Amino acid sequence: QKEVEQNSGPLSVPEGAIASLNCTYSDRGSQSFFWYRQYSGKSPELIMFIYSNGDKEDGRFTAQLNKASQYVSLLIRDSQPSDSATYLCAVNAHFGNEKLTFGTGTRLTIIP
Amino acid sequence: DAGVTQSPTHLIKTRGQQVTLRCSPKSGHDTVSWYQQALGQGPQFIFQYYEEEERQRGNFPDRFSGHQFPNYSSELNVNALLLGDSALYLCASSLLDNEQFFGPGTRLTVL
Repeated sequence: QKEVEQNSGPLSVPEGAIASLNCTYSDRGSQSFFWYRQYSGKSPELIMFIYSNGDKEDGRFTAQLNKASQYVSLLIRDSQPSDSATYLCAVNAHFGNEKLTFGTGTRLTIIP
Repeated sequence: DAGVTQSPTHLIKTRGQQVTLRCSPKSGHDTVSWYQQALGQGPQFIFQYYEEEERQRGNFPDRFSGHQFPNYSSELNVNALLLGDSALYLCASSLLDNEQFFGPGTRLTVL
């Protein structure tokens, strides 16, 4: 079992709709969770982080964490073509940032 | 305010050679982490440096080594290059135990 699993996609969503990206992790002791966006040929860019169960909203982005189910998700509201990218889920065993364990990423395409 | 910078941007080497990659962290950051990202994969943690010491290491062989300088900049050295070392090498900087921000990466091709 991979430590961090994501559906590789591609996930296609119409412009203006909600994109839902999912991630599961195997280490029940994981404490901090991150979503990075990576455009083709570029480096990952931090979008959001979440430490506590529940929802965390930042603009059009909402991160959701359920530690009991070992599940973290990212919702993108009012999807724009510029949101087309690969989204990487990363997990850390501790609060703070030592080793980040990444999933393989989900490729998202927003259809105009 | 300059972000994380890395050099060189691209590099081509042959098997058996050695390579040194460089990273300057974002202003005010004191911790540098290195990751390897193969095509179509997520980044894999190599190691992290803080206060010029290797703080944690991932599952990479001893051919991968690093250094952090007093100004917090860092180098990644890879000896005896293998074809499988071809990847995007990412440097991420942070304040200790805070969120990591990535540089643009160095694309290494081993022929």
